[in-house]
Amino acid sequence: RKEVEQDPGPFNVPEGATVAFNCTYSNSASQSFFWYRQDCRKEPKLLMSVYSSGNEDGRFTAQLNRASQYISLLIRDSKLSDSATYLCVVNAKAAGNKLTFGGGTRVLVKP
Amino acid sequence: NAGVTQTPKFQVLKTGQSMTLQCAQDMNHNSMYWYRQDPGMGLRLIYYSASEGTTDKGEVPNGYNVSRLNKREFSLRLESAAPSQTSVYFCASNLQGNTEAFFGQGTRLTVV
Repeated sequence: RKEVEQDPGPFNVPEGATVAFNCTYSNSASQSFFWYRQDCRKEPKLLMSVYSSGNEDGRFTAQLNRASQYISLLIRDSKLSDSATYLCVVNAKAAGNKLTFGGGTRVLVKP
Repeated sequence: NAGVTQTPKFQVLKTGQSMTLQCAQDMNHNSMYWYRQDPGMGLRLIYYSASEGTTDKGEVPNGYNVSRLNKREFSLRLESAAPSQTSVYFCASNLQGNTEAFFGQGTRLTVV
């Protein structure tokens, strides 16, 4: 089983709609969680960190469910510019304190 | 504000050739990473360095070596390139393992 797993998609989303997707992680000792965004052939960039209580940044909401070992990302009022691959990233101090990436979820927002 | 700088941006190698990918960061970060990304795939960790003077294997270390030359620089060496190493290579750094990572622009390597 991979340490961090994501549905690769693509999620085809009408402009203005809401889309949500999850990421599961296998190491119960994981401590830090992030969502990164990657545009085609570019470097990943931080979208948001994920906190235990859940957090929101504009149209983006991230949630953490430690009991079921997954994090989620919800995008409201999708824009064409939200089309990208969203990477789930997990850090576990017990696993060498390194960042482990999921395979990414591709989102395509269409007019 | 350079951030993380990788060189070269593009490279074509013949099978069996060697080369070193360079990475430098100017953010005084402790941890540095090398990932590879194959088409349509996520990032896979090759090697990482939690702090100056230490390096550890990641998920796919075979065929690669690394050097943490100093706090700023972390290089990745391919001793004998193989077509299976054709990929995009990203270097990243963060202050420590559980903080935001910043990436270089990537090196697109083709081995023929």
